[in-house]
Amino acid sequence: QSALTQPASVSGSPGQSITISCTGTSSDVGSSNLVSWYQQHPGKAPKLIIYEVNKRPSGVSNRFSGSKSGNTASLTISGLQAEDEAEYYCCSYAPSPNTYSFGSGTKVTVL
Amino acid sequence: QVQLVQSGAEVKKPGASMKVSCKASGYTFPNFHIHWVRQAPGQGLEWMGIITPTTGGRSYAQRLQGRVTMTRDMPTSTVYMEVSSLTSEDTAVYYCATEISGTGGFDLWSQGAQVTVSS
Repeated sequence: QSALTQPASVSGSPGQSITISCTGTSSDVGSSNLVSWYQQHPGKAPKLIIYEVNKRPSGVSNRFSGSKSGNTASLTISGLQAEDEAEYYCCSYAPSPNTYSFGSGTKVTVL
Repeated sequence: QVQLVQSGAEVKKPGASMKVSCKASGYTFPNFHIHWVRQAPGQGLEWMGIITPTTGGRSYAQRLQGRVTMTRDMPTSTVYMEVSSLTSEDTAVYYCATEISGTGGFDLWSQGAQVTVSS
């Protein structure tokens, strides 16, 4: 049960699109649709922005989208805005042994 | 108001135990799992475990097995998490969270509670 692998940092200019990868194994990301993404600003609790791989909770901007291929999930932020500057974490359920794992986290910087 | 409210900050000695609480309000407590997540200073999120209020069923992160115990009190809609044999590596902000919208994601979080382990 190891942390999922994310790039430490990703940056982009306002208006650009960026993609954050989240690589797990066939035991977690590869075998579960319970993959979610969280945005965390400094000193704040995480906020759910994507659930079940590609669904957005009510109130979350449609600039955020999720996908999955094999053992890797991805979060894309389109039309990058200054307010998107934050830490982003993926999370996946592992059916056996009924546990969850977070990714290592990605710092998004808006240039 | 739909919320999860935790107990306050704590300072513990190495080797001691800690017990934090998480009180749910504004929604039907038995209907949703409660997860515990922690974040060490400058580090990422770590999933610690899950408890199902209706049955008391629990599952813990493998690396914490044997040191963590999660319980619930139905009349007060409160869950508890106890961690034993504390070391400095347990210094973190501890959160409880739930999947209140049934989304499969943690969409309701507590305010977090700082626990510091120091001699």
